[in-house]
Amino acid sequence: DAGVTQSPTHLIKTRGQQVTLRCSPISGHKSVSWYQQVLGQGPQFIFQYYEKEERGRGNFPDRFSARQFPNYSSELNVNALLLGDSALYLCASSWDIYEQYFGPGTRLTVT
Amino acid sequence: AQKVTQAQTEISVVEKEDVTLDCVYETRDTTYYLFWYKQPPSGELVFLIRRNSFDEQNEISGRYSWNFQKSTSSFNFTITASQVVDSAVYFCALSEATYSGGGADGLTFGKGTHLIIQP
Repeated sequence: DAGVTQSPTHLIKTRGQQVTLRCSPISGHKSVSWYQQVLGQGPQFIFQYYEKEERGRGNFPDRFSARQFPNYSSELNVNALLLGDSALYLCASSWDIYEQYFGPGTRLTVT
Repeated sequence: AQKVTQAQTEISVVEKEDVTLDCVYETRDTTYYLFWYKQPPSGELVFLIRRNSFDEQNEISGRYSWNFQKSTSSFNFTITASQVVDSAVYFCALSEATYSGGGADGLTFGKGTHLIIQP
């Protein structure tokens, strides 16, 4: 079975721009979570979606938003990009929220 | 608030040595879950183990073993007879979330321990 997939792999954006990151969960998984991992740190929780509804939100500004589609795939949107948004963005899917399987991530660089 | 502390930033050992990675957590909940993940240079987090707060039995999986002690709020990870392929960053994580609670806080990760296994 295919694992969690994310696209694109790498992305370079300019300050002030907007970006959309995509995630496809493992088949059968209904929950998707997003994490931001800054270099040298552990991942930080951004959002969790289950059955297309937001179930949790971390301490991130309103510039960050997400949604989950009927096929359980998900998008993470970040508006008005700042230099500090440069990070590895990880998507995780799970059958339940306790055992999350992570994708390879999208490396976002903001210049 | 929940917190996970991995005090060891980097550990370097010679191949075949045993190594223990420390994890200390803080939570106000009586029901919680603890995890270990491995992050190789490729960046993808690899799930290693999940433990719930009611199960304090130690677990062994091949060369890996985990020691969960609620009395000291610790969940340590030992690799026996380390190999070069074990080189990676290892993260300990905690989750207090329950669906029945109506919300989810995701996983709280420590800062990770960079393990270097020298040949």
